[in-house]
Amino acid sequence: DTEVTQTPKHLVMGMTNKKSLKCEQHMGHRAMYWYKQKAKKPPELMFVYSYEKLSINESVPSRFSPECPNSSLLNLHLHALQPEDSALYLCASSQDLGDLKETQYFGPGTRLLVL
Amino acid sequence: AQSVTQLGSHVSVSEGALVLLRCNYSSSVPPYLFWYVQYPNQGLQLLLKYTSAATLVKGINGFEAEFKKSETSFHLTKPSAHMSDAAEYFCAVSSNRDDKIIFGKGTRLHILP
Repeated sequence: DTEVTQTPKHLVMGMTNKKSLKCEQHMGHRAMYWYKQKAKKPPELMFVYSYEKLSINESVPSRFSPECPNSSLLNLHLHALQPEDSALYLCASSQDLGDLKETQYFGPGTRLLVL
Repeated sequence: AQSVTQLGSHVSVSEGALVLLRCNYSSSVPPYLFWYVQYPNQGLQLLLKYTSAATLVKGINGFEAEFKKSETSFHLTKPSAHMSDAAEYFCAVSSNRDDKIIFGKGTRLHILP
């Protein structure tokens, strides 16, 4: 099973709302990632977790708050977002950090629209 | 620092024709290189990766890529295009300074009937 699942598939929220994106993998991977992808652009890394601890934060605004409750789950909590935050949010996982040959496995993404 | 450059943001080929998507890399150390495909409204899927075991790498869906150190290239090819190959293709390289993948800007492949 090389599947990363993400819920919801689509999300529409207002600028005052609080919502969460969820990501799950059952491959035993210890590294998990959040990416943001705008239309016609490559994915941009936001956060990396390794063994449930935040390893990389790419200077993401605090209105995005990641959480890794256990080794299989990754959440992204959203609060007071701006319309420019509308994008496809991709989750990925890999066996571990530190091995440059490792493949990242991507989920299908959550398409977020902020009104 | 590593980087990849994809030549051509859009490529159109006829169904049944050769597919060639170009990727050149810049790296001071032997790179690990990847090709990912993204179908409309989906996430990224690994097509193939180069990890120095063999210069000609075969991937899924009939795609392959050849690592050419002298040309610093890792071009993606497929002998005969199918309509289902229409998608966005990203070349990527592992960064040797941190645990990141560096993506190219992507190439949109259009298949003409």
